[in-house]
Amino acid sequence: DAGVIQSPRHEVTEMGQEVTLRCKPISGHNSLFWYRQTMMRGLELLIYFNNNVPIDDSGMPEDRFSAKMPNASFSTLKIQPSEPRDSAVYFCASSLEGLPFYEQYFGPGTRLTVT
Amino acid sequence: DQQVKQNSPSLSVQEGRISILNCDYTNSMFDYFLWYKKYPAEGPTFLISISSIKDKNEDGRFTVFLNKSAKHLSLHIVPSQPGDSAVYFCAASGSTGNQFYFGTGTSLTVIP
Repeated sequence: DAGVIQSPRHEVTEMGQEVTLRCKPISGHNSLFWYRQTMMRGLELLIYFNNNVPIDDSGMPEDRFSAKMPNASFSTLKIQPSEPRDSAVYFCASSLEGLPFYEQYFGPGTRLTVT
Repeated sequence: DQQVKQNSPSLSVQEGRISILNCDYTNSMFDYFLWYKKYPAEGPTFLISISSIKDKNEDGRFTVFLNKSAKHLSLHIVPSQPGDSAVYFCAASGSTGNQFYFGTGTSLTVIP
């Protein structure tokens, strides 16, 4: 299996622009997680989906952030408009319900820089 | 606000010696604790875990210790190897749901 796939790997954009991050979970996994990594706060869970349904989005920082999972093999995290403080590494992870819940498999991340 | 804290952002250890990474948490309802390891340009990978009913879990060179009264856990790596150089994240979870609370990470450098 190719593992969790994220694109792009790096994104540089100007403040005010819309940014879309993409994730393809491991085939057969039915839970998907979006995390943000910063030096100050470490890894923060933004939102997670189970069977394509958002279960907990309490970690989404504000209305500028939105996430969708239109089908079992694709999810997006959108920031509109982007701000410099959104600069971070964004990780997507997937897991299979029923397995030990610590078995989340992370993608390589998208490094976002907003200037 | 940070429920899981790793107060040492970095640690350097000589090859062959012991590496000790520390983690503190604030929520006494956490009952599952994990360590993840992250190499540059890669996502974190699961390393070792411990349930709150135990105080020690060992897996090869890696041992995690849990002190519930102090709300403290530590990861011991013996002997340390250069390939262990990575960022280590501590995480905690309650008994329900998939939510992990991660620390800020400790960057370990093992010097050959």
